[in-house]
Amino acid sequence: DTAVSQTPKYLVTQMGNDKSIKCEQNLGHDTMYWYKQDSKKFLKIMFSYNNKELIINETVPNRFSPKSPDKAHLNLHINSLELGDSAVYFCASSQLGTGKNIQYFGAGTRLSVL
Amino acid sequence: AQKITQTQPGMFVQEKEAVTLDCTYDTSDPSYGLFWYKQPSSGEMIFLIYQGSYDQQNATEGRYSLNFQKARKSANLVISASQLGDSAMYFCAMRGTGAGSYQLTFGKGTKLSVIP
Repeated sequence: DTAVSQTPKYLVTQMGNDKSIKCEQNLGHDTMYWYKQDSKKFLKIMFSYNNKELIINETVPNRFSPKSPDKAHLNLHINSLELGDSAVYFCASSQLGTGKNIQYFGAGTRLSVL
Repeated sequence: AQKITQTQPGMFVQEKEAVTLDCTYDTSDPSYGLFWYKQPSSGEMIFLIYQGSYDQQNATEGRYSLNFQKARKSANLVISASQLGDSAMYFCAMRGTGAGSYQLTFGKGTKLSVIP
């Protein structure tokens, strides 16, 4: 069983479109994250939800809107896609308050905006 | 603010040899965690090893060990007996413990190539 799963794995779309990436974790964790990895492989936090509540919201264009329907799911919706949005997006989850708070990552979604 | 520095963009190691990947960090948090992740060419991010700032002993996980030198603010990853499957990008990361600092701050990564 995959612990953190993201869909789709690949997403190719035109500029101006709206798209969503879904993430689900079956680890029973209470916190989920979205990270963006750019073309130089640099990873940066975008958002984090704890028990469905937004706790981290980095400087990200408001075209990006996360939604957490429950603790096990964190989806990312992107409006009016731009060329610069092309990147790999990773979902991760962890359990806060466990000391280590190890984050486990999904396989990533490679978004290409044409 | 937290910062992670990985100064080796690329490294080569002979199969079966040991290799050290460097990582230095900067933080004002009194308590923090340090992590290493592996990203093979297939793209997934794989957790390797964790070191807490108050842990007395260096962390070890199989062939991976973390050489933690708190005074020097370094957290180097040592891979013993390298295998071809170790060829990948390796990322050092840290996390604070205060509210709003649960996210990981990553370094730029080191690309390790294992030579047969």
